[in-house]
Amino acid sequence: EVQLLESGGGLVQPGGSLRLSCAASGFIFSNYDMNWVRQAPGKGLEWVSTISGGGDKIYYADSVKGRFTISRDNAKNTVYVQMNSLRAEDTAIYYCAKQFLYNWFDPWGQGTLVTVSS
Amino acid sequence: EIVLTQSPATLSLSPGERATLSCRASQSVSSYLAWYQQKPGQAPRLLIYDASNRVTDIPARFSGSGSGTDFTLTISSLEPEDFAVYYCQQRRIWPLTFGGGTKVEIK
Repeated sequence: EVQLLESGGGLVQPGGSLRLSCAASGFIFSNYDMNWVRQAPGKGLEWVSTISGGGDKIYYADSVKGRFTISRDNAKNTVYVQMNSLRAEDTAIYYCAKQFLYNWFDPWGQGTLVTVSS
Repeated sequence: EIVLTQSPATLSLSPGERATLSCRASQSVSSYLAWYQQKPGQAPRLLIYDASNRVTDIPARFSGSGSGTDFTLTISSLEPEDFAVYYCQQRRIWPLTFGGGTKVEIK
């Protein structure tokens, strides 16, 4: 069974940094693109970033480009997102999601909440 | 960026009724559209991909149709567990984008 477990969320001040992790199990991790998708409180879904199985192709939403960095460690079956220069509008539940076929998301982890506030 | 507009924002129906949800794209996405279901406090779940293909284990009462810019998710007869928020998503062009969601609530 595929499992995705996010961690690393919490309260951070504006301008601060946070690194989220997503530990994966139940599939051959290096064979799949991995994604981060976020959801602000009471709002809809926003794709954040995608990294290919080998880590050589990376894509970002314009809203996070230059501030967030996605990476993966295939030996540890873990994908990360380093979030710098955080803003109030980055407050959201951050989900990691496994690639399904091509650029669909399934399944998703349970999410980790990031709150940016002073 | 491709903008996906979902309508209506809220659909109030009774169990057993048919639900018809719409997703319109600002430009053609061919058939590269998916539908997700999200229940309160849960992560989204993929229901339909490539406009009309149901994911394994998704009940047959869920069906998707459309191509180009206009898409529909139909729930033929609502079960109590189907009351949730539904999102569409396109993968035709980066950035990947989602619609704003349709909430299907109990009337």
